[in-house]
Amino acid sequence: ETGVTQTPRHLVMGMTNKKSLKCEQHLGHNAMYWYKQSAKKPLELMFVYSLEERVENNSVPSRFSPECPNSSHLFLHLHTLQPEDSALYLCASSQELAVIQFFGPGTRLTVL
Amino acid sequence: KNQVEQSPQSLIILEGKNCTLQCNYTVSPFSNLRWYKQDTGRGPVSLTIMTFSENTKSNGRYTATLDADTKQSSLHITASQLSDSASYICVVSRGSNYQLIWGAGTKLIIKP
Repeated sequence: ETGVTQTPRHLVMGMTNKKSLKCEQHLGHNAMYWYKQSAKKPLELMFVYSLEERVENNSVPSRFSPECPNSSHLFLHLHTLQPEDSALYLCASSQELAVIQFFGPGTRLTVL
Repeated sequence: KNQVEQSPQSLIILEGKNCTLQCNYTVSPFSNLRWYKQDTGRGPVSLTIMTFSENTKSNGRYTATLDADTKQSSLHITASQLSDSASYICVVSRGSNYQLIWGAGTKLIIKP
């Protein structure tokens, strides 16, 4: 294991639901990331937090809302999603926006 | 346009054989190039990272090469094992360390 955990591992939700994805890192890092991975497509960086401040928001729709309450935890709040939002959502952490990012196992999200 | 192209898209080889995966990039400015391994249902794990001045780097049976002039990289896997079955992703960093350009990956299947 890489020291980054994500829950839940699988999530099925309707378009009108509200849910949250959770990420926790046990590596003492101070930067955390959310990525979206769709089938046969490159990873898409969604959000970056450094020292609990958001430093990147890559034109992500407002139905995705990140929250970083402390350097060990990262959340992705989801509401009124679309079927095309179905994907693997990966969390990663690194030391000070450094070179190597450590990834969690991901949450497989299906939007019906 | 900043892009990372990988080939082949998928590859099937017999256990014990060698293989080489290709990565071409058009990313500027260039900071470093990484190869990640992603097992099914898991997040990517870093294999190697090379800066502009490095042209080869090994990690066990994995050897990565970089030609910064032609903007090409390869990942050579020696004496493949069943556990090598995974997607291999080439990633180029441009300037800031979290500004990563991801390839779509090569899906490698090792058959006994």
